[in-house]
Amino acid sequence: DGGITQSPKYLFRKEGQNVTLSCEQNLNHDAMYWYRQDPGQGLRLIYYSQIVNDFQKGDIAEGYSVSREKKESFPLTVTSAQKTPTAFYLCACFSTGTVNEKLFFGSGTQLSVL
Amino acid sequence: QKEVEQNSGPLSVPEGAIASLNCTYSDRGSQSFFWYRQYSGKSPELIMSIYSNGDKEDGRFTAQLNKASQYVSLLIRDSQPSDSATYLCAVNPGGGNKLTFGTGTQLKVEL
Repeated sequence: DGGITQSPKYLFRKEGQNVTLSCEQNLNHDAMYWYRQDPGQGLRLIYYSQIVNDFQKGDIAEGYSVSREKKESFPLTVTSAQKTPTAFYLCACFSTGTVNEKLFFGSGTQLSVL
Repeated sequence: QKEVEQNSGPLSVPEGAIASLNCTYSDRGSQSFFWYRQYSGKSPELIMSIYSNGDKEDGRFTAQLNKASQYVSLLIRDSQPSDSATYLCAVNPGGGNKLTFGTGTQLKVEL
């Protein structure tokens, strides 16, 4: 099945600890994105990558880092500088086309701080 | 000013009624518009996309776009309890494929 796989589903981190969220896709899409959703809020863009070995900051990039060494993979590291206690992290990739452009989401990672 | 605005709700409608969800956006250069449905604890799933002024229908769902008024809406006919979810409006401002999302409207369909 084609899709986006995020892992782990749930993650707990201690203050001062860095953690990495995994995102893998087999849809052969160039563009990949990381969004954060705070409780009861909409989605805000953290980082995005339009092509391998290139990525751009989104609206809330502080405290995060990414890499894009392979087309299929776009991992997100939440560093100790990121103070948000609990949030839902969503990885997505974008399918382009004149009538079929669409942002596909993975199943998400719920990150909590102990 | 928020780029994409939605009423947070909750919007309560009786089963079988029409639910009307609204969204306004600020970037006049926006070309494509999307409605996503999100159940609690789950990721958003695309319901409708719309690119031209007017109405677009898909089953019980109708998306309406008015670029002059910078307004997008979603109508859900014959609302069912399974439609109870948060509905997110998203806009692709001026291309570039960076969707901007509203905060979502919570819909409750009551028996």
